[in-house]
Order: sequence, then C-alpha cells, then structure tokens
Amino acid sequence: NAGVTQTPKFQVLKTGQSMTLQCAQDMNHEYMSWYRQDPGMGLRLIHYSVGAGITDQGEVPNGYNVSRSTTEDFPLRLLSAAPSQTSVYFCASSYSGASSYNSPLHFGNGTRLTVT
Amino acid sequence: AQRVTQPEKLLSVFKGAPVELKCNYSYSGSPELFWYVQYSRQRLQLLLRHISRESIKGFTADLNKGETSFHLKKPFAQEEDSAMYYCALGLTGGGNKLTFGTGTQLKVEL
Repeated sequence: NAGVTQTPKFQVLKTGQSMTLQCAQDMNHEYMSWYRQDPGMGLRLIHYSVGAGITDQGEVPNGYNVSRSTTEDFPLRLLSAAPSQTSVYFCASSYSGASSYNSPLHFGNGTRLTVT
Repeated sequence: AQRVTQPEKLLSVFKGAPVELKCNYSYSGSPELFWYVQYSRQRLQLLLRHISRESIKGFTADLNKGETSFHLKKPFAQEEDSAMYYCALGLTGGGNKLTFGTGTQLKVEL
C-alpha cells in the first residue's frame, strides 16, 4: 500500500515550458487535491476533486489545470510555467468530500519545482 | 475569509520541558481544527483533530471558541518531537478544503 505517490520529486523548468505533475493514490479515496507551499506561507489549495470527472478550483488556481479521469489519478498541469510557480507542490487525498465532516488528508512526499 | 495564524516560526525547548505550539483562527462558521506534523524526511501527516478529543504521542489540543485558539500542548517534550507542525482549519459542513497556517518548527534540545 503505497498511499499517495507523487512524481517527479524535483523538476526545473524554463519560463514558458509546460509539464504535468503526477499524483496517484491506491486507497480508493474519492477526494484528491493539490496544494502549493511557499516560504513564509501555509499550504494553499490549488484545485481539488470530489470524485472521478469532477474538479473545482481552490484558492490559487490560475496557471494550473487538472483533470480526474480515474479515482486513482489526479495530475496537475502547468501550461506555461512562470517563475511565480516556483514552489513545493503537495498532492493529498481523503475519504469522501461529501461528508459533513472534514476527513483527514493523506499527503504525498511533494514535488519541488523551480522555474527559471 | 478564514485564516489560521501560527505566530512562532521556531520554538526551541529542552527535553522534558512543556511544549505549547500556538494556533489562532479566524472563521465565522463552526470550525474543525487539525494539527498536522512533518518529521524530517517524512511526509506531512495528521497528528490530531479536535473532534476526536484524543491524545496522540502525548499531545493534546483543545478548541477554545471564545479565544478562537487550538493550541497544541505536551507536558514533557521528547527529542523525537522535533518536527514541523501545521495547524489547519476545515470549514463547516466538510468538503476537506483545509486552510493551513504557516507552520512552527519545533526543536527539542538535549
């Protein structure tokens, strides 16, 4: 049981390049989300999904796209990378987001992205 | 909008001393509060949540709605408690969209 797996661990991009951060979970969690962490700031929600085929924007969605074609996978796409997107990205999953309570999040190990 | 404040970036205590990591929140609804911890070279993980009212690894936290606080406490710090601690706020009605504080690095010295 690997939990939440993120790839790659590190990535360097040039301004304008595109890439996809991968996230997969093997816990059959319905809810998945992406956060970014910047120095001096808490984790900020980028996008989230409450189930396959359903995605929605979080606090800082600009410059990022997501899709959820399967329960297991929730990739994050940067269409045209900018230096402001230099950050550490965390994927997290949990049981149903439809519950009346907030379920504990299970995190991946993070992807450290640098955009030059 | 909701906000979580952790006023200390770094908290250094000696082994055996009491620990209190501060967390204050701002939210107009009925909050759910969590503490997450990240040990060195490990992933971020849940430490405890206020609705569970439990003690994990000797840590406790009580939700004080009057003071809008959810401070994390432990009577006797251990070396293995050294880690990064994040307070997080969940909104009324669930949804799992947590708002995180900036974190406090706890260093337990021998």
